[in-house]
Amino acid sequence: KAGVTQTPRYLIKTRGQQVTLSCSPISGHRSVSWYQQTPGQGLQFLFEYFSETQRNKGNFPGRFSGRQFSNSRSEMNVSTLELGDSALYLCASTMGAEEKLFFGSGTQLSVL
Amino acid sequence: GESVGLHLPTLSVQEGDNSIINCAYSNSASDYFIWYKQESGKGPQFIIDIRSNMDKRQGQRVTVLLNKTVKHLSLQIAATQPGDSAVYFCAEKGAGGTSYGKLTFGQGTILTVHP
Repeated sequence: KAGVTQTPRYLIKTRGQQVTLSCSPISGHRSVSWYQQTPGQGLQFLFEYFSETQRNKGNFPGRFSGRQFSNSRSEMNVSTLELGDSALYLCASTMGAEEKLFFGSGTQLSVL
Repeated sequence: GESVGLHLPTLSVQEGDNSIINCAYSNSASDYFIWYKQESGKGPQFIIDIRSNMDKRQGQRVTVLLNKTVKHLSLQIAATQPGDSAVYFCAEKGAGGTSYGKLTFGQGTILTVHP
């Protein structure tokens, strides 16, 4: 069974641009969560989607948004990029009710 | 302003030694705890988990201990190998809707295993 797949692996953007990151969960998993990982703040929860609905959201500004499609694939978008948005963005999936999250390898975003 | 990076605790051991990584969690209402291993360039990889109604759980070469009285979690790795070198994170999760998909991670501990 394939793991969680995130694309692209690396991204370089400039301030003010927007970016969309993609995540394909493990087959059969319906819950997708997104996390931001930085050296300064560690791993922080962004949001969680289940059956195309956002069920939970972390403490990030509205520039960070996401969505989930009917096939459980998910995208997250960051608008008006800031230097501080440079981070590893991780996607994780689970069946829905279980707590154990399975993570992808992440998308490394650099904002110049 | 200038951000302050996390200064991760480090643990250096010799190959074959047993390792113990400690973690203090913050929320007494958390009912699920999990350990992840993260190698350079990869996402966190599940190691072992434990629920709050247990105080010990064993896996292959790993044991997790939970002390709810002092809100402390530990990961024991037996016969540590060079391939165990990584950053180890503990994480906690509460019950209820506000915890959907949300794990609260510790800062991490860098484990280095010397051959």
